Amino acid sequence: DSGVTQTPKHLITATGQRVTLRCSPRSGDLSVYWYQQSLDQGLQFLIQYYNGEERAKGNILERFSAQQFPDLHSELNLSSLELGDSALYFCASSVGTGPGANVLTFGAGSRLTVL
Amino acid sequence: AQSVAQPEDQVNVAEGNPLTVKCTYSVSGNPYLFWYVQYPNRGLQFLLKYITGDNLVKGSYGFEAEFNKSQTSFHLKKPSALVSDSALYFCAVRDLASGGSYIPTFGRGTSLIVHP
Repeated sequence: DSGVTQTPKHLITATGQRVTLRCSPRSGDLSVYWYQQSLDQGLQFLIQYYNGEERAKGNILERFSAQQFPDLHSELNLSSLELGDSALYFCASSVGTGPGANVLTFGAGSRLTVL
Repeated sequence: AQSVAQPEDQVNVAEGNPLTVKCTYSVSGNPYLFWYVQYPNRGLQFLLKYITGDNLVKGSYGFEAEFNKSQTSFHLKKPSALVSDSALYFCAVRDLASGGSYIPTFGRGTSLIVHP
């Protein structure tokens, strides 16, 4: 167990629907990252939060949004789902966000299937 | 932007033989490099990192990586492969994102298959 908890583990839904993925970071970590893993795109950075504030944005679609709550858990909201959104979504956490070589601790992922 | 490339989609090696998983990088300035491993149905796990200093970095599970500045490479190595080492291996480089945060950018991954 890495200490990063993601729910749900698996999710099957239909096109056009909206889902929410949840992540609890490792105890003591203030920074949360979301990544999307698919066969054709590899591991793509989506967005990062630090202590409740958005810090960095990657290849995140406008249909996707995220937030980090005061208790530091984070949610990734995916709306108007398309077939191409089917992927494994990882949450990771780290202590900080500065220039040091921050090591990320990953959760087990949420596998989303859009039918 | 900083980037890494993993030129091999798959590496096959016999158990007991040495293994190498290749990674090359492209950065401006000093590179901060990482290796992570992903076992089936699991998240990525950190193996080792290079910041500065010794070109040979030792990590978890008997893995090590060799930093080579002239060849801009950071290859992952292990002297004697185990069947249990079979997994997906990712090389990553620290990149500066908008907003001032440092984000790891990952390669596409290399599938390592160790045959008994």
